[in-house]
Amino acid sequence: TQLLEQSPQFLSIQEGENLTVYCNSSSVFSSLQWYRQEPGEGPVLLVTVVTGGEVKKLKRLTFQFGDARKDSSLHITAAQPGDTGLYLCAAGKRSGYALNFGKGTSLLVTP
Amino acid sequence: NAGVTQTPKFQVLKTGQSMTLQCAQDMNHEYMSWYRQDPGMGLRLIHYSVGAGITDQGEVPNGYNVSRSTTEDFPLRLLSAAPSQTSVYFCASSYTGGSQPQHFGDGTRLSIL
Repeated sequence: TQLLEQSPQFLSIQEGENLTVYCNSSSVFSSLQWYRQEPGEGPVLLVTVVTGGEVKKLKRLTFQFGDARKDSSLHITAAQPGDTGLYLCAAGKRSGYALNFGKGTSLLVTP
Repeated sequence: NAGVTQTPKFQVLKTGQSMTLQCAQDMNHEYMSWYRQDPGMGLRLIHYSVGAGITDQGEVPNGYNVSRSTTEDFPLRLLSAAPSQTSVYFCASSYTGGSQPQHFGDGTRLSIL
């Protein structure tokens, strides 16, 4: 099972601040997905990145896939309380069907 | 569309009891999977299926059985519940596999006493 390391594990910031969370592995991914999970709910897909070096933007969220397709980052600009949640990265191997998740970064944005 | 529906939402069992967690999707997805989520452990894959009649083990399959008789349904069975199986269980589905966006249900919160 490929290991996806997410950092930091916890992050507490004030509204308006910027932040970056990371997802790293020693394995090469065919693609990588980012999800957000709110309390009492299942994860919801934010974005999928498939090309090394790819950058995708979703409003105030910027996702980057590493050139070697082994790591990814999520940057949030001017965080808002509505961004609070658990951010999960997930990746599947090119040859398999299973999708493995990192342990997540728990983000709290206070007003 | 309902998406992925899990039942029940909450359940309390005694050690040794058996039960089935239900999962149904109405998106005609071929790929379905079960995860458990525990504090500090993240989401761990239990079993998955790439189509009706085909299942395979994930990272933590012991103590769980699955079957896939139809495209829509993917039940998870606990034959003899143990306290270590106390967790939140999520079912997910996608068109073809792990590299595709996963649609999750809202989970079943299971406590085993």
